[in-house]
Amino acid sequence: DIQLTQSPSFLSASVGDRVTITCRASQGISSYLAWYQQKPGKAPKLLIYAASTLQSGVPSRFSGSGSGTEFTLTISSLQPEDFATYYCQQLITFGPGTKVDIK
Amino acid sequence: QVQLQESGPGLVKPSQTLSLTCTVSGGSISSGGYYWSWIRQHPGKGLEWIGYIYYSGSTYYNPSLKSRVTISVDTSKNQFSLKLSSVTAADTAVYYCAREVVALTKNNWFDPWGQGTLVTVSS
Repeated sequence: DIQLTQSPSFLSASVGDRVTITCRASQGISSYLAWYQQKPGKAPKLLIYAASTLQSGVPSRFSGSGSGTEFTLTISSLQPEDFATYYCQQLITFGPGTKVDIK
Repeated sequence: QVQLQESGPGLVKPSQTLSLTCTVSGGSISSGGYYWSWIRQHPGKGLEWIGYIYYSGSTYYNPSLKSRVTISVDTSKNQFSLKLSSVTAADTAVYYCAREVVALTKNNWFDPWGQGTLVTVSS
C-alpha cells in the first residue's frame, strides 16, 4: 500500500506569507494526488485534484505541483480564512495532515 | 449542486452495530460515474477511508475494516448506508459520507462531503 507523509506537520505563519506544504508518496503515483482543507468542526473541502488542477470556486492563491513521489501545495499569500489543516490524498490513503496556525 | 447529509444515532453501545445513512440531494446516485464513500475521523486525528459503493451495488472496503463493514445503496431513496459491527470505543469518530470521483484507475478525489456526524461508542 502507498504511504503518504506530509511536512511540516505544523506550520506557524502570518497573513500575507507564502506557504508551502509537501506531500511525499512511498512510491510513484504519477500526478494522482488531491489536496483538501479542513477547518475545525467542518468537513474537508477539496482544493486541488490531479496534483495541480484547481477545484472550481477555490481561490487562485492556492496552487499544486509535483509528480511521481513529491508534491507541493502552495498558498501564495496566506489569508485569515486559510488557517486550517491540509491533507493530501491518493486512492484510499490520506496524509497525516499539516496544521497551519497563526504566528 | 450535489449535497450529502449523514444521519443516524450519535451513541452506540460497545459490541453493537453502528448504522448511518447518507442522503444525496441535487443529483441521482443512479446516474453513475461516481462512487459513494464513507470516511471517518477519530477525534483530533486524520482521515480514514472506510469503503465505497457504486450505484450497481458493487463495493470495496478498507482491508483493515473489511470484516466488520457493510455498505449498501437504496437508489429509490437516493441514499447509501454504512453498517459497522462489533464496535468498540476505538470506533468513536466523526463519520463522513462523500462522493468519489474517479478520473482514471488511480486518479480519484472526494467531493463533495457531508457535514459529518459524531458517533460515540459508550455504554
